[in-house]
Amino acid sequence: DTAVSQTPKYLVTQMGNDKSIKCEQNLGHDTMYWYKQDSKKFLKIMFSYNNKELIINETVPNRFSPKSPDKAHLNLHINSLELGDSAVYFCASSQEVNEQFFGPGTRLTVL
Amino acid sequence: SQQGEEDPQALSIQEGENATMNCSYKTSINNLQWYRQNSGRGLVHLILIRSNEREKHSGRLRVTLDTSKKSSSLLITASRAADTASYFCATDTEGGGADGLTFGKGTHLIIQP
Repeated sequence: DTAVSQTPKYLVTQMGNDKSIKCEQNLGHDTMYWYKQDSKKFLKIMFSYNNKELIINETVPNRFSPKSPDKAHLNLHINSLELGDSAVYFCASSQEVNEQFFGPGTRLTVL
Repeated sequence: SQQGEEDPQALSIQEGENATMNCSYKTSINNLQWYRQNSGRGLVHLILIRSNEREKHSGRLRVTLDTSKKSSSLLITASRAADTASYFCATDTEGGGADGLTFGKGTHLIIQP
């Protein structure tokens, strides 16, 4: 069984569109995260969500918004996509301050 | 400023040799973790070392942590072709709560058969 899953795996879209990436974890973890990996493979935390508390990296534009319908899901919504949003987005989860389990990633390409 | 910087950025060795990667960080941490990423894939957790630990082993992996120097090293012994990947250190900042890991830029390791 996949521990952390993301859909879609690939997403190609035009500038200005709104898109969502879904993430689900079946590990019963209490915290979920979104990371962005740029073309130079640098990984940066975007959000973490724990017990209804959202912590946002201050550098993330407000066009990005995470939504958690329940403890097992943390979806990423992106409005008005820009060329610079092209990257690989990873969802992850953890139980308290421990190892994080990553999803397979979603490669977003904005044309 | 970036927390967690690995060196070298790239390392190429022969199969069977040992590979050592280093990581430096800037702030106080709860723990430091090492992850592996194969090309085009997600990250896989390798090992976690807590701030009160100095050394940890897992199979062919050995991790050290020196909090006075704010540095860590990852040693892979008897390397195999399948170890070819990028390796990242990541720090969980003390008092940071649920605010995720801070990753370094990674070391790209190539094991030549």
